Amino acid sequence: DVKVTQSSRYLVKRTGEKVFLECVQDMDHENMFWYRQDPGLGLRLIYFSYDVKMKEKGDIPEGYSVSREKKERFSLILESASTNQTSMYLCASSRQGRRGTQYFGPGTRLLVL
Amino acid sequence: KNEVEQSPQNLTAQEGEFITINCSYSVGISALHWLQQHPGGGIVSLFMLSSGKKKHGRLIATINIQEKHSSLHITASHPRDSAVYICAVRSGIQGAQKLVFGQGTRLTINP
Repeated sequence: DVKVTQSSRYLVKRTGEKVFLECVQDMDHENMFWYRQDPGLGLRLIYFSYDVKMKEKGDIPEGYSVSREKKERFSLILESASTNQTSMYLCASSRQGRRGTQYFGPGTRLLVL
Repeated sequence: KNEVEQSPQNLTAQEGEFITINCSYSVGISALHWLQQHPGGGIVSLFMLSSGKKKHGRLIATINIQEKHSSLHITASHPRDSAVYICAVRSGIQGAQKLVFGQGTRLTINP
């Protein structure tokens, strides 16, 4: 059974704090993605990675960075959290190739006060 | 204008009704996905289509490449079908194949 896990379901942080969101997949997938989901805006891609130590900016990378030191793990970092980063964060992974389905984690609901 | 538009944004129906959710897109695609998101956040992939029609249980998905349009149908709808349904298109970019998402359709099926 495929599995994508995220380190926290709910997180409350203060403005200016450094925040780490971790995602782990056990399917040996090459591709991993970080999205945020906001009401009325749908899912938007923050960053993705198609290999270890490789990363590409998505549509809204400002204020975020990522790290992929191991194939199974993709971390999203908020260097200095701000209130406009309050959102639902979803991680996904897929195998390489045009037919790869993305498998999503359960999401982390982040509140920045 | 969004590259992927869904309609309706919200849909409420009675148990047993036939449901249709529409998705139109404006970009060239290699595949289109229908996803389901239940309260609590988890997203599950229902279908991936590049042409024609697919059926899984009471769910049917169709795509018309020439018209850049897809529909998701639910027959004999049930309250457990209540969820947000999301259309996403895969752009023809090599590598990680990014998805572009519609805003979702919130479906509520009343008993």
